[in-house]
Amino acid sequence: SAVISQKPSRDICQRGTSLTIQCQVDSQVTMMFWYRQQPGQSLTLIATANQGSEATYESGFVIDKFPISRPNLTFSTLTVSNMSPEDSSIYLCSVEDGYGYTFGSGTRLTVV
Amino acid sequence: AQSVTQLDSQVPVFEEAPVELRCNYSSSVSVYLFWYVQYPNQGLQLLLKYLSGSTLVESINGFEAEFNKSQTSFHLRKPSVHISDTAEYFCALSRGYNQGGKLIFGQGTELSVKP
Repeated sequence: SAVISQKPSRDICQRGTSLTIQCQVDSQVTMMFWYRQQPGQSLTLIATANQGSEATYESGFVIDKFPISRPNLTFSTLTVSNMSPEDSSIYLCSVEDGYGYTFGSGTRLTVV
Repeated sequence: AQSVTQLDSQVPVFEEAPVELRCNYSSSVSVYLFWYVQYPNQGLQLLLKYLSGSTLVESINGFEAEFNKSQTSFHLRKPSVHISDTAEYFCALSRGYNQGGKLIFGQGTELSVKP
């Protein structure tokens, strides 16, 4: 299965600032997915990122708040913009690699 | 629309006891089903999956799940649990790669194994 390197693993950020999360995959994949896991909650899909096209956002998530880049078939970034304490969550990237869905180790974000 | 319901938010059991974590799903089309495990402060790991074929699927660490189409269920079982099985378990479904590929998760079940 694919191996995903996700950075940073955790961060504490001031409200009003932005954080960019990176995911690097060791193989080429068409779709990459970004999820949010709020404290004590399940995972919710933020958006699907395809290389060469705009990301597709789920209801309740907008590009201005969560801009995504997908410059090639092995890399993607998610930015959490103008952060507030409500953005404190774990953010995970995921790919479908033919064996199922593999996840990065997550970015634990705390906004103060 | 598809959905996943995990019927128990918390399941406490004693070590070496059997356990069942219940998962029901709703979908008008065929789906693929997954169980993921999340150990404390770690990411998600695929435990097992049902794509097609045999309705009973097994993982390498003794868990098994049975796809029951008539009951729309995909319950996870283990005949004898260990302390190390303490974790959060998520049931999820997907319509497949050609249908958008996204996973829809249940709310999770916290399995707590006590000595």
